[in-house]
Amino acid sequence: QVQLVESGGGVVQPGRSLRLSCAASGFTFSSYGMHWVRQAPGKGLEWVARIWYDGSHEEYADSVKGRFTISRDNSKNTLYLQMNSLRAEDTAVYYCAKHPSAYDYFDYWGQGTLVTVSS
Amino acid sequence: EIVLTQSPGTLSLSPGERATLSCRASQSVSRNYLAWYQQKPGQAPRLLIYGASSRATGIPDRFSGSGSGTDFTLTISRLEPEDFAVYYCQQYGSSPLTFGGGTKVEIK
Repeated sequence: QVQLVESGGGVVQPGRSLRLSCAASGFTFSSYGMHWVRQAPGKGLEWVARIWYDGSHEEYADSVKGRFTISRDNSKNTLYLQMNSLRAEDTAVYYCAKHPSAYDYFDYWGQGTLVTVSS
Repeated sequence: EIVLTQSPGTLSLSPGERATLSCRASQSVSRNYLAWYQQKPGQAPRLLIYGASSRATGIPDRFSGSGSGTDFTLTISRLEPEDFAVYYCQQYGSSPLTFGGGTKVEIK
């Protein structure tokens, strides 16, 4: 069965960096686009970034453009999110999510990892 | 950017009742590329509906989606105890991908 397991969250000071990972299993990782979606405490869902199945194309929400980088290692079945210049408003649970071929909705989600940006 | 507005913010109903949730888009959603998700406290969202009206794998038939263009609806025909949760719509017809603010379905 499809499994997505995020890791790397924690408490970080404003302006610092953090890298999240998402280990995928149960499907052919290299065949599917992947996304990061976040949810601030008590708030709704916000799409953050996506990457094509082969890593050749990335796209970002305006709120993170220039600070976050999505990447993947298909040999390790792992998705990453490098987060730089973190701000208090980046505090959220970060989910990795898979989309089915050719459509950008999310058919599988990880359990999420909490990132807290605070001094 | 397409803004999705969900209403009502909270729906108070009893088990067995019918729930009707609305999602309105600020502009037409291309090819009716609209999805619905259910989220329970402490859990990740779960896909219910895609393409405005197609149920995802394993979703009970009491959940149905309808609508087109800018107006979409999620209907739960008879609420079961496990259906009390927050529901989000999401459009994937244009970039950036956007979500509605959610509707909480609570026990009356």
